[in-house]
Amino acid sequence: AQSVTQPDIHITVSEGASLELRCNYSYGATPYLFWYVQSPGQGLQLLLKYFSGDTLVQGIKGFEAEFKRSQSSFNLRKPSVHWSDAAEYFCALKRNTGFQKLVFGTGTRLLVSP
Amino acid sequence: DTEVTQTPKHLVMGMTNKKSLKCEQHMGHRAMYWYKQKAKKPPELMFVYSYEKLSINESVPSRFSPECPNSSLLNLHLHALQPEDSALYLCASSQDQLGRTMNTEAFFGQGTRLTVV
Repeated sequence: AQSVTQPDIHITVSEGASLELRCNYSYGATPYLFWYVQSPGQGLQLLLKYFSGDTLVQGIKGFEAEFKRSQSSFNLRKPSVHWSDAAEYFCALKRNTGFQKLVFGTGTRLLVSP
Repeated sequence: DTEVTQTPKHLVMGMTNKKSLKCEQHMGHRAMYWYKQKAKKPPELMFVYSYEKLSINESVPSRFSPECPNSSLLNLHLHALQPEDSALYLCASSQDQLGRTMNTEAFFGQGTRLTVV
């Protein structure tokens, strides 16, 4: 069965500093991978996705993520964090064959300090 | 237009009430979803509609009753809920059921914050 692990429950980053949020997955083949962001009490917004091809994917709001098959990882990065980036971040996976629902990680809450 | 619209944004209901949550999308998507999200948890899938037919029910109690009147609308009818059903209810849509076609990501609405008293 496929699963997604986000090992960090909370991360605090100073405004202007770089950010990396970790995501590891378990799946027998190459899955489709997503990062979503959720502000308090709001819905989920898709930041970026990986299906195939270039392993470094660019998303909205200056985010990028790198797919590393050897490490089963899909970490999210941003070179300079803004206070408005404070939110909950979810990594998600779906299989690349047949119907399958999105499998979410438990989320990482990002706090941005002045 | 890449928007999924949910109404109402907030809902407070008693345990004997009947209420409905509504979801609308105009992206031509043929798959629509209801998710339930408790505080500090990831969303959990409840129902999937594909081409206006219910294709997945994740063993959801019958006090939750989904309905898909047409390809743009999705309702969730609520009856005799319990306080533990209080949560954020999220609607999502995608071009097709996730996995049946490539490159089909889900777009989420802003959610309805439901409180059962």
